[in-house]
Amino acid sequence: DGGITQSPKYLFRKEGQNVTLSCEQNLNHDAMYWYRQDPGQGLRLIYYSQIVNDFQKGDIAEGYSVSREKKESFPLTVTSAQKNPTAFYLCASGGTSGANVLTFGAGSRLTVL
Amino acid sequence: GESVGLHLPTLSVQEGDNSIINCAYSNSASDYFIWYKQESGKGPQFIIDIRSNMDKRQGQRVTVLLNKTVKHLSLQIAATQPGDSAVYFCAERRGNYGQNFVFGPGTRLSVLP
Repeated sequence: DGGITQSPKYLFRKEGQNVTLSCEQNLNHDAMYWYRQDPGQGLRLIYYSQIVNDFQKGDIAEGYSVSREKKESFPLTVTSAQKNPTAFYLCASGGTSGANVLTFGAGSRLTVL
Repeated sequence: GESVGLHLPTLSVQEGDNSIINCAYSNSASDYFIWYKQESGKGPQFIIDIRSNMDKRQGQRVTVLLNKTVKHLSLQIAATQPGDSAVYFCAERRGNYGQNFVFGPGTRLSVLP
C-alpha cells in the first residue's frame, strides 16, 4: 500500500542528545514536511522540502535539522539546541500544485527525560 | 481561528445523531481547505476538501460548508457512529504549495452510546 512510514513511534531522549526521526514515503510525492503537534494547538511547520536536495525552514526550525538526499526520505534531527523537544512529530507529503492534499504519517512521540 | 490553549472544545453527540463541527479561518485570501480526522496517538487522516470557489461539497456521510463572507467552515457528519470519535481539525491554505497550510487546534468529537 502507498503511504508514509515514520519511525520510531516512541522515542525517549536524554537532555543533550540528538535524535533522528525517520520518514519514508512511497507516494511519489515531490514535497515533504515536518510538523510538530503540542496539546491543544494546531500543527506547526518545522521544515519542508519541495524537491530533492533542497529544503526550507518553516515557522519553528530552531533546534532542528533535516536532509533530503532521496525523494522518498526526509529525516528530521532534533538537536540538543531544541529547548522543549517533547512533542508529537508528524511527517507529511504532497504534490506541489493544485489541490495538494497533505498525507500524514502515523507520527513519532518524542519524550525528553 | 480557534485558539483555546491546552483545552480543545468538545462536542458530544448521541450515536445516530448528526454532528456539526465548526472552524473559523482568518485569511480571506485562503483558496483551499481540508478537514482532517485524528484518532488518539495516530496521524491525521484526510476526510474532505473544498476549494474557495465552492460553498458546499459532499462525501460519504460528510458534508463541508464554506461561508467566505464570515470566514467560516463547517463539517457535518451524518448518523454519527462510535468510530467517528476523534479530534477533527481544519486546514486553510494561504497561497500555493503545501507549506502554506495553517491548521486549527481542532475539536474533540465524543460519540455517546
